Amino acid sequence: QLQLQESGPGLVKPSETLSLTCTVSGASVTSDSYYWGWIRQPPGKGLEWIVTVYYTGSTYYNPSLKSRVTKSLDTSKNQFSLKLSSVTAADTAVYYCARQTMVRGVGDGPFDSWGQGTLVTVSS
Amino acid sequence: EIVLTQSPGTLSLSPGERATLSCRASQSVSSSYLAWYQQKPGQAPRLLIYGASSRATGIPDRFSGSGSGTDFTLTISRLEPEDSAVFYCQQYVTLPWTFGQGTRVEIK
Repeated sequence: QLQLQESGPGLVKPSETLSLTCTVSGASVTSDSYYWGWIRQPPGKGLEWIVTVYYTGSTYYNPSLKSRVTKSLDTSKNQFSLKLSSVTAADTAVYYCARQTMVRGVGDGPFDSWGQGTLVTVSS
Repeated sequence: EIVLTQSPGTLSLSPGERATLSCRASQSVSSSYLAWYQQKPGQAPRLLIYGASSRATGIPDRFSGSGSGTDFTLTISRLEPEDSAVFYCQQYVTLPWTFGQGTRVEIK
């Protein structure tokens, strides 16, 4: 059974870098059938897609966040990670990792499995 | 960027009633690239519908999706108490992938 689990600090200071890791069990991040993504949700608000990665290194970014996003994938640990730099209070949100399917052979499908999410608060 | 506008903001209905949720896109979305998610309080979203009308694995047949172009609909044919949630549509035809702002369904 596929499970995704986010981990990382729950509190980050303004101007610092938010770092999160998603550990995948029940599937391989090197699967050629899926991409892996990050989505966030500010408290009481809607969903915002951040980035999607493939084990080959292929990556899709939300342009609104691209300049601050660094992604990585650790195949030995079956994990993928997100770093978001220069955070402000506006980056306070629940961050979800999720598996993304393919439609045209690229990471352009729906998110069919999600982690439980982790709340990251940006505050001094 | 494709903007998805969902209506109504909140729907309050009784068990057994039919719920109709709308998602309107700012530009045409191929029907293969529209999904619906359900999110209950404190939980992650769950994929309900993909490709505008295909139910995801394990989703009851009281949930159905339809539409094309810029207008899409999620229908819950007979509401059950556990359907109380926020529902989001999402397009994955054009980067960046975007979500609607959500429709809250309340069960009376």
